[in-house]
Amino acid sequence: NAGVMQNPRHLVRRRGQEARLRCSPVKGHSHVYWYRQLPEEGLKFMVYLQKENIIDESGMPKERFSAEFPKEGPSILRIQQVVRGDSAAYFCASSRNGANTGELFFGEGSRLTVL
Amino acid sequence: AQSVTQPDIHITVSEGASLELRCNYSYGATPYLFWYVQSPGQGLQLLLKYFSGDTLVQGIKGFEAEFKRSQSSFNLRKPSVHWSDAAEYFCAVAPPNNNAGNMLTFGGGTRLMVKP
Repeated sequence: NAGVMQNPRHLVRRRGQEARLRCSPVKGHSHVYWYRQLPEEGLKFMVYLQKENIIDESGMPKERFSAEFPKEGPSILRIQQVVRGDSAAYFCASSRNGANTGELFFGEGSRLTVL
Repeated sequence: AQSVTQPDIHITVSEGASLELRCNYSYGATPYLFWYVQSPGQGLQLLLKYFSGDTLVQGIKGFEAEFKRSQSSFNLRKPSVHWSDAAEYFCAVAPPNNNAGNMLTFGGGTRLMVKP
């Protein structure tokens, strides 16, 4: 039973480049959540997606950040024109449904470093 | 808006000693409450959760937590710590309704170190 798979685990980008982070949820899970963890801080909610729909993106920065969860394939978090402040660990989590059970399964994270 | 405070950023305990990690929340009603553990370089794992009912909740790995409404607290405890418990622990809350999905609000975390 594969858990939430994130790749790449580590990504280095120069300022102005694009970063794409991928997340494959647990098999059978149709709800995906992205969280960001800045150094020495807790996780901050970014976006909640179901297949082909963005349910809540209240935690996403208004510019440069976008997320999708297509019908086929992994969820993608895309950061355009990265800046040093985007350096963080980005965690994806999935759940079977959107009910508020706390049963989130987290991936191991993608650690983005912006030079 | 809801918030979660974990007052202790770092805690060091000796192996075999008891442990209590503090968590206070600010929320209009009683939220759903959770504790997660994050080992170095890993994702988060759910330790336990509280929705309603018995205020003492048992979790995995010998952990328990007690919800105290009067203090808006949900402290995590373990009677005897093992070296493998060294990790970062996060308290989290979520709105108590089924329309909010699993959008958790996390505290800043407490890093636990265990002395041999």
